[in-house]
Amino acid sequence: AQSVAQPEDQVNVAEGNPLTVKCTYSVSGNPYLFWYVQYPNRGLQFLLKYITGDNLVKGSYGFEAEFNKSQTSFHLKKPSALVSDSALYFCAVRDWNTDKLIFGTGTRLQVFP
Amino acid sequence: EADIYQTPRYLVIGTGKKITLECSQTMGHDKMYWYQQDPGMELHLIHYSYGVNSTEKGDLSSESTVSRIRTEHFPLTLESARPSHTSQYLCASSESRGRQETQYFGPGTRLLVL
Repeated sequence: AQSVAQPEDQVNVAEGNPLTVKCTYSVSGNPYLFWYVQYPNRGLQFLLKYITGDNLVKGSYGFEAEFNKSQTSFHLKKPSALVSDSALYFCAVRDWNTDKLIFGTGTRLQVFP
Repeated sequence: EADIYQTPRYLVIGTGKKITLECSQTMGHDKMYWYQQDPGMELHLIHYSYGVNSTEKGDLSSESTVSRIRTEHFPLTLESARPSHTSQYLCASSESRGRQETQYFGPGTRLLVL
């Protein structure tokens, strides 16, 4: 069965420092991977997705994600964190059998001034 | 921001009341979804639809029901609300593009059942 894991419940980073939010996946076949962000009292906003091609995917708000097939990872990154990046981040993978999105448990990012 | 709307945004209601959570999208997407989000953050798919007159139950069992009479509209109904239904409900939609398709989410409805 397809699945994603987000090993960290919370990530804390100082403003201006680089940030990484981790995601690992388990799929049978080619992975289609997604990152979403959820700000307080809002729905999920699509950030980026990996379908095929370059391993480095660029998305909204200066975020990017690196697909690593050998490590089965799809970590979300940003070179310089902003306080306004503080939110909940979800990784997701498409289930090949059902075409549904399988979401991770979410990681809360806290950026401190 | 995607053109997907949910009303009400917040709802406080007593036990036993019937409620309908509205979801509509103006993107002409065939596929629509309802997720329930725990206070602890996890998302659970409770219903989905791949087109008009098509509805399916999701991975998490839910006492709610849905209908899809029009492409743009996917309401969720609870016949008799209970405190265990207290949660955030997120609606999403996507166009049919196979595995590349992206789901777009509405702002959510936060439900509190007393």
